[in-house]
Amino acid sequence: DVKVTQSSRYLVKRTGEKVFLECVQDMDHENMFWYRQDPGLGLRLIYFSYDVKMKEKGDIPEGYSVSREKKERFSLILESASTNQTSMYLCASSWKGGTQYFGPGTRLLVL
Amino acid sequence: GENVEQHPSTLSVQEGDSAVIKCTYSDSASNYFPWYKQELGKRPQLIIDIRSNVGEKKDQRIAVTLNKTAKHFSLHITETQPEDSAVYFCAASTGNAGNMLTFGGGTRLMVKP
Repeated sequence: DVKVTQSSRYLVKRTGEKVFLECVQDMDHENMFWYRQDPGLGLRLIYFSYDVKMKEKGDIPEGYSVSREKKERFSLILESASTNQTSMYLCASSWKGGTQYFGPGTRLLVL
Repeated sequence: GENVEQHPSTLSVQEGDSAVIKCTYSDSASNYFPWYKQELGKRPQLIIDIRSNVGEKKDQRIAVTLNKTAKHFSLHITETQPEDSAVYFCAASTGNAGNMLTFGGGTRLMVKP
């Protein structure tokens, strides 16, 4: 059974703080993804990675960066959190060309 | 880039009725179309998918149809049950670039007992 886990379910941060969201998968998937989910907007891709140390921008990368030092781990970094980054953040992973499996999500509130 | 539009945004049906959710996409190179179901407070999970060499695919009470000429695809749920209540997302992908998916805005389906 595919397992994708995220470091926190809920997170409250202050404006200007640096925020780290971590995702771990145990299926040796090449691809990993970070999305944000907002009502009515569906899931929007922030960044994805197709291999260790490789990354590609998605549709809304501004204000975010990512790190993939190990195959199983993909981190999303908010360099200086802002209130408009309050959202649900979902991580996913897949084999090349395969189904994407999602983590449980992190609900981030930036005050 | 790809743009996926999904309608309706909310859908309410009586238990036992059918439900249909429609999506259109813009990139004619898209060739993979998954559907995800997200129950309240849970992660999205794949329920069915279709590739562009197939026009229709069925799995028990759910089916997906694809019209490549018109660039639209639909999810059909027959004999709806209360446990079908959830948010459904369609998505499209060209299969390139690590199978990046572009998602529709989601449909909240409510099945009334």
